[in-house]
Amino acid sequence: DSGVTQTPKHLITATGQRVTLRCSPRSGDLSVYWYQQSLDQGLQFLIQYYNGEERAKGNILERFSAQQFPDLHSELNLSSLELGDSALYFCASSVVGGGGTDTQYFGPGTRLTVL
Amino acid sequence: GENVEQHPSTLSVQEGDSAVIKCTYSDSASNYFPWYKQELGKGPQLIIDIRSNVGEKKDQRIAVTLNKTAKHFSLHITETQPEDSAVYFCAALKGTYKYIFGTGTRLKVLA
Repeated sequence: DSGVTQTPKHLITATGQRVTLRCSPRSGDLSVYWYQQSLDQGLQFLIQYYNGEERAKGNILERFSAQQFPDLHSELNLSSLELGDSALYFCASSVVGGGGTDTQYFGPGTRLTVL
Repeated sequence: GENVEQHPSTLSVQEGDSAVIKCTYSDSASNYFPWYKQELGKGPQLIIDIRSNVGEKKDQRIAVTLNKTAKHFSLHITETQPEDSAVYFCAALKGTYKYIFGTGTRLKVLA
């Protein structure tokens, strides 16, 4: 158990809908990362937050948004869902998020299925 | 552009044999290279990492080598065991925050 929690574990929805994925980082970690993993694909970095502020952005679609709250949990919002958005979504956390200086710990993921 | 190529995509070895997974990165500014193991139904877990100022690092049965000139880095697992079966991902850190992941290698250790 990495100490990172994600809810829900599974999510099934229809095209055009909007969903929210939630992540709670490990105790003491200030940085949260979101990744998308499609079938047989690697992990695509979406976005990173540090202590409530956006720090880095990857290949995140405009239909997707995220935020990190004062208690450090984070939410990833996916709207106008398309079939191609079906994937595993992982959250990771680290103490500082300075890259190479601390380890990213991954949560168990949320499997999103868009029908 | 930013890219990390990982080979092979699948690898089957007999228990006790060695396994080698190779990655090539494109951005010469990359400075940190972690390897992750992902078991079925779980998130990736860091197993070993190497920084750009080091050529090799070893941790028990696992080792990583880095060739900065060729922009290659490799994961070596010796004396493989059935519990090593998983998907392995390499990654390269660009700058301070952005990780580029390889597409993964599915390793099967046959008993």
